[in-house]
Amino acid sequence: NAGVTQTPKFQVLKTGQSMTLQCAQDMNHNSMYWYRQDPGMGLRLIYYSASEGTTDKGEVPNGYNVSRLNKREFSLRLESAAPSQTSVYFCASSEALLSGRENEQFFGPGTRLTVL
Amino acid sequence: AQKITQTQPGMFVQEKEAVTLDCTYDTSDPSYGLFWYKQPSSGEMIFLIYQGSYDQQNATEGRYSLNFQKARKSANLVISASQLGDSAMYFCAMREVRPYYGGSQGNLIFGKGTKLSVKP
Repeated sequence: NAGVTQTPKFQVLKTGQSMTLQCAQDMNHNSMYWYRQDPGMGLRLIYYSASEGTTDKGEVPNGYNVSRLNKREFSLRLESAAPSQTSVYFCASSEALLSGRENEQFFGPGTRLTVL
Repeated sequence: AQKITQTQPGMFVQEKEAVTLDCTYDTSDPSYGLFWYKQPSSGEMIFLIYQGSYDQQNATEGRYSLNFQKARKSANLVISASQLGDSAMYFCAMREVRPYYGGSQGNLIFGKGTKLSVKP
């Protein structure tokens, strides 16, 4: 099993350009997440999808949109990239249960995005 | 609001010694879960250990153990017999319960992390 995969691994954009980060999981998980990681800030939740067909805002949703295409795939779109969106982006997935290790999140390898 | 605090931005430990990484949390939810993740320099996030708020015993996974003190709201990670490969960022996280469409969803809130360096 590949687990959680993300594409691309690296990307450089100019201010104002748009792009979509792709994420897919093969663990049949209901829930999927997008985080950004900035130096000294830990991981902050951008958007999440508790189940196919639903999406909700996390802590830092401004400037982003998401699509839960099907149970496997969850994409993150930057419509007009800004330098403040330079970051490492992680996708993750988990079961939606509330108790125990079922809430363990499995992470993709990350996308390093630079906006000039 | 729920919050995770890791007060040690960086720590050093001698190889083969034990080290404790601190984590305190704040929540009014009686049911919660606490996680530790490791992030080596290669960047991937690796799950280490989990502690549930109702678990009677402290969690252990190989060389990792969690010193869970519920009254103090702390969930410190203890790494025994440190190895050079333990050099990494370590993140404490707590499950946050959010409502969604008539049900609930458990998201994770992360601390800012502790950078551990193991010296030979």
